[in-house]
Amino acid sequence: AQKVTQAQTEISVVEKEDVTLDCVYETRDTTYYLFWYKQPPSGELVFLIRRNSFDEQNEISGRYSWNFQKSTSSFNFTITASQVVDSAVYFCALSFDRGSTLGRLYFGRGTQLTVWP
Amino acid sequence: EAGVAQSPRYKIIEKRQSVAFWCNPISGHATLYWYQQILGQGPKLLIQFQNNGVVDDSQLPKDRFSAERLKGVDSTLKIQPAKLEDSAVYLCASSQGLAGGQVNEQFFGPGTRLTVL
Repeated sequence: AQKVTQAQTEISVVEKEDVTLDCVYETRDTTYYLFWYKQPPSGELVFLIRRNSFDEQNEISGRYSWNFQKSTSSFNFTITASQVVDSAVYFCALSFDRGSTLGRLYFGRGTQLTVWP
Repeated sequence: EAGVAQSPRYKIIEKRQSVAFWCNPISGHATLYWYQQILGQGPKLLIQFQNNGVVDDSQLPKDRFSAERLKGVDSTLKIQPAKLEDSAVYLCASSQGLAGGQVNEQFFGPGTRLTVL
């Protein structure tokens, strides 16, 4: 079964703090894709990153970084020096490139991040 | 480049009434998805189209929900009759599917917030 778990329902930090959002996934497939999306109060889901299962390199994009570890089935997301504009719900998602579920996103329940000034 | 368009943005109906949502994907995107997002949860796939054909509708409550994508561009999602538990945000997304040999990211519209009274 395909499953994504985001155990942190809500996180509150003060501006400039670093924060890590956890994501744990389950699948028996050896080829899969992991995504992170941001959903600000406006409601529109914004794509942040895609990773395939064969690429375990960590990635950094400005204040954002992602740590992919197949050994622990985790794909964690860190925001460095958080800002108020980072306040949103963040979703981790899983997808596959074959079978009847081709391209479909399996989302976690999301983590509400609130950054206080 | 124009994003995914959806209308209406908000809709309030009474139970047993019918409602329809419209989606216009990003130009050139062959794959179109409808997701249902209940408050406090991650989006869940209702139906996936590849051009004007259905790829996956296994999660669509077919006794009351229907969807079509005529001419492989715009899509409509209909609920008839609506139930209280259909209150949710309905998100449309589009992507290039497997172009480039891997699962591409989905781009989401602003969603339609449905309230069933």
